[in-house]
Amino acid sequence: DAGITQSPRHKVTETGTPVTLRCHQTENHRYMYWYRQDPGHGLRLIHYSYGVKDTDKGEVSDGYSVSRSKTEDFLLTLESATSSQTSVYFCAIKSGLAGDSSDTQYFGPGTRLTVL
Amino acid sequence: AQSVTQLDSHVSVSEGTPVLLRCNYSSSYSPSLFWYVQHPNKGLQLLLKYTSAATLVKGINGFEAEFKKSETSFHLTKPSAHMSDAAEYFCVVRRVTGGGNKLTFGTGTQLKVEL
Repeated sequence: DAGITQSPRHKVTETGTPVTLRCHQTENHRYMYWYRQDPGHGLRLIHYSYGVKDTDKGEVSDGYSVSRSKTEDFLLTLESATSSQTSVYFCAIKSGLAGDSSDTQYFGPGTRLTVL
Repeated sequence: AQSVTQLDSHVSVSEGTPVLLRCNYSSSYSPSLFWYVQHPNKGLQLLLKYTSAATLVKGINGFEAEFKKSETSFHLTKPSAHMSDAAEYFCVVRRVTGGGNKLTFGTGTQLKVEL
């Protein structure tokens, strides 16, 4: 499982409230990713990080922010949750050496978020 | 831009019969391609990956995939389905543009295995 944990695993919240999801890894990987999974869309990249304090946007970043103050933790924040952000959120890390085309992403167990 | 198309949203097979899950890709470069599996209420598990070495790639649990450049395909196969193979399968291409090893996922194929 590449030493990835996500918390919480399930959360129900109300529209307009802030929500923070945590991804924790134990193997010192440089790259970390946040995805959301919705029926009919596969997984879509929200944000990713390539080091402490280094982050960039993915394809569906609107309404989300991230922070990475230490290597092992990558936080995803919904500043004001909306019903369209109801989804399953997956964290991933990239293994392999820099520049290695065979580098692979490994995924955490997911967080199911419901926004009422 | 790189993309993948999974040609079937649902596939149903009988236990013991072959499995074929189809994936076509679009890429301007020699792509890196992956198949991931997701069992119900679980995370994603890597089945296999192609990275321009052997065109026939063997993965876990008896699955394999063949990279065919002329057909721009990367279909996933297994000779004999087992009940435990019932899951959703994602074909994925690694995007070349920019940094960060970004992946583009197909929309998934739900595999049902019947007795």
